[in-house]
Amino acid sequence: QSVLTQPPSVSAAPGQKVTISCSGSSSNIGNYYVSWYQQLPGTAPKLLIYDNNKRPSGIPDRFSGSKSGTSATLGITGLQTGDEADYYCATWDSSLNVVFGGGTKLTVL
Amino acid sequence: EVQLVESGGGLVQPGGSLRLSCAASGFTFSTYAMYWVRQAPGQGLEYVSAISSNGGSTYYANSVKGRFTISRDNSKNTLNLQMGSLRAEDMAVYYCARDLSCGGTDCYNGFDYWGQGTLVTVSS
Repeated sequence: QSVLTQPPSVSAAPGQKVTISCSGSSSNIGNYYVSWYQQLPGTAPKLLIYDNNKRPSGIPDRFSGSKSGTSATLGITGLQTGDEADYYCATWDSSLNVVFGGGTKLTVL
Repeated sequence: EVQLVESGGGLVQPGGSLRLSCAASGFTFSTYAMYWVRQAPGQGLEYVSAISSNGGSTYYANSVKGRFTISRDNSKNTLNLQMGSLRAEDMAVYYCARDLSCGGTDCYNGFDYWGQGTLVTVSS
């Protein structure tokens, strides 16, 4: 049971937009920045979003992040088949550790 | 170019020990806190251990506390994880990672670089 709650799966057609939610509490998301990772099959996670809505160099602006209260959302527009992956949210928790969501599998139909 | 390369994974019997290493290059290793994150087969990510930039502070998840020891050698740009009393539930791919800007074990900004991972299999 993960500290942060994500939907197990989402799907959308190529070119469409999808959002992935991440729900936490005041001990984590409510008081700390959220980051998002993309994990393509068989590879290491890749940082997509940090500080709720900032993108590292090289991450296209099709990926966006937002936070409201104790929840955060990852948005992906202009879906491509290459976006099929597992997506994880993460943040700091007041119990002094990093907590991850359980992951969401994105299927591009 | 920043690179993190793990090694040391393999097959070990329950109760056994294993030492993982992570060789870092392309950045000033001694100024970054470093982390171990694991992923059991078909499962999500789990934060395992952290060490501050100077090695003076460490963190362990409850699941590994007392059995794993994290260390670093800043002169060799190497991060280590000594794992003991291994259990079936420790079986996972172990990744080393670097935080964007956090130098201690009491903060988190995002893991901007990850190694390729090394698989630890615990089985008799």
